[in-house]
This record gives sequence, C-alpha cells and structure tokens, in this order.
Amino acid sequence: NAGVTQTPKFQVLKTGQSMTLQCAQDMNHNSMYWYRQDPGMGLRLIYYSASEGTTDKGEVPNGYNVSRLNKREFSLRLESAAPSQTSVYFCASTPDRLAYEQYFGPGTRLTVT
Amino acid sequence: DAKTTQPNSMESNEEEPVHLPCNHSTISGTDYIHWYRQLPSQGPEYVIHGLTSNVNNRMASLAIAEDRKSSTLILHRATLRDAAVYYCNYFNNAGNMLTFGGGTRLMVKP
Repeated sequence: NAGVTQTPKFQVLKTGQSMTLQCAQDMNHNSMYWYRQDPGMGLRLIYYSASEGTTDKGEVPNGYNVSRLNKREFSLRLESAAPSQTSVYFCASTPDRLAYEQYFGPGTRLTVT
Repeated sequence: DAKTTQPNSMESNEEEPVHLPCNHSTISGTDYIHWYRQLPSQGPEYVIHGLTSNVNNRMASLAIAEDRKSSTLILHRATLRDAAVYYCNYFNNAGNMLTFGGGTRLMVKP
C-alpha cells in the first residue's frame, strides 16, 4: 500500500514549456487535490476533484489544467510554464468528505527558469 | 474566505507540553477544524480534527473553544521529532475547499 505517489520528484522547465505532473492513490479514495507551496508559505489549493468525473477550481487555478483520469489518478498540467509557477506541488486524497483526514504525496519540486 | 490566524513560531523544551493556538473567527457551525503538520522536505501529515467537542488521539489533543472561534493543539510531551510547521485550517462546507494558512513553526530544544 503505497498511499499517494507523485512523479516526477524534481523538474526544471524553461519558460513556455509544458509538462504534466502525475498523481496516483491506491486507497480507493473518492476525492483528490492539487496544492502548491511557495517557499516559506502555506499551501494553496489549485484544483480539486470531489469524485471521479468532476473537477473544480481552487484558490489559484490560473495557468493550470487538471484531468481526473480515473478514480486512482489525478494529473496537473502546465500548458506554458512561467517563473511564477516555481513551487513545490503536492497531491492529496481523502476518502470522501473533507471532514476526513487528507493523505499527501511527497511532492514535486518544480523550477521554471 | 476561510481564514485562520496562528503565531509564526513557538519554542518548547523537550518533554514539556506545548499549546499551539489558532483563531478561526469566520468558522461556521458545520465546519470541521483540522490540524496538520509538515516536517522539512515532506508533505503535510494529518494530526487531528474536531467539530465541537475536545478530541484526543495518539498524537495530540484538540481543545475547541465553546464559541468555536479558536482552538488549541496540545502536544503533551514535546519530542525533537515534533519540530515541524503546524497548520490549523477548516473545511468551509459552503465552498467545499480546504485552505491552509501560514502555520506555526515549532522548535523543540533538547
């Protein structure tokens, strides 16, 4: 039981390049989330998926798209990376309602030059 | 917007209790209060959550004020492994989102 896994662990992009961050969970959770954490800051919600087939914007969705590929996988895409998107990205999942604890992945450290 | 206020940092001696405060004056009656912590270079880790009553688990205790506008996370005996950033937040049921604030950096001295 791996919990929440994220790939890649590290990535360096040039401005304007695109990439997809992958997230998968093996806990049969319904809800999944993408957060970003800038240096010395708390986490900010980018997008979430309350259940398979649905996605909704969070606090900072501009410049990102998401896909809930199936119940296990939730990907985050940067179409045209900008230096302001340099951050650590965390994926999380939760069984159902947000009253339950969220399980976080180890994060992807992204640098955009 | 769901907002919480926490001190930027706190210090404790090892083996002593630690009380980490949080103000959440905009909380509504159906919002759950969550606490998470984040060790260096790791993802956040769930600590505890509650609605109205005080809660205990193997990691910590959560004391919730009667008006629910503040709460306190209690670590009964701090260890060096408890040094982390502790985040207080709540689930805004109307917006279906969870917002993490700046957190409190807890330093534990041997």
